[in-house]
Amino acid sequence: QKEVEQDPGPLSVPEGAIVSLNCTYSNSAFQYFMWYRQYSRKGPELLMYTYSSGNKEDGRFTAQVDKSSKYISLFIRDSQPSDSATYLCAMNGGRRALTFGSGTRLQVQP
Amino acid sequence: DAGVIQSPRHEVTEMGQEVTLRCKPISGHNSLFWYRQTMMRGLELLIYFNNNVPIDDSGMPEDRFSAKMPNASFSTLKIQPSEPRDSAVYFCASSSRPGLAGVKHTETQYFGPGTRLLVL
Repeated sequence: QKEVEQDPGPLSVPEGAIVSLNCTYSNSAFQYFMWYRQYSRKGPELLMYTYSSGNKEDGRFTAQVDKSSKYISLFIRDSQPSDSATYLCAMNGGRRALTFGSGTRLQVQP
Repeated sequence: DAGVIQSPRHEVTEMGQEVTLRCKPISGHNSLFWYRQTMMRGLELLIYFNNNVPIDDSGMPEDRFSAKMPNASFSTLKIQPSEPRDSAVYFCASSSRPGLAGVKHTETQYFGPGTRLLVL
């Protein structure tokens, strides 16, 4: 079993929809939780990070962490075609190396 | 700032050949990470350096892989001999570790554009 599980999708939604992306994990040592966005043929870029449990909002993006359930989410409000990308969750704790989910491919249809 | 620079962007080689991937981290960053991305296994850490010293190489697949960081502005990942199963996108990332006061702020890893390697 992988340390971080993420549904690969693809997830296709109409423009303006609310998107929910999720990851589950098994390592209780994880303390930092991140979401990276990767456009086709590009490197991942950090969208948001959260320390421990709680919510964090940045514009149209909201990250949630529930450590008791070992479950993290990224919500995208008013999704745009430019949000079409692969979204990777990542986490670490104890060691600096990040453990990534496999990524969810999102397609926002205009 | 030019960001993390990787070269070459694409590499096609034949099985058994030596492959060298190069990375220039962001100036001022003291940590450098090499990742490999495949459809089957996703994004995996191969090795990372802190202040030019290899800290964790547990992700390096086997002895055919080696990485060096001779100075703060340059790193190489070498595969010798290469095999078809090494075909992947190899990413380099760099970061600047936060000070002790930033205990709730993990560092941001900035990724380069990647090198697409195809071993025939």
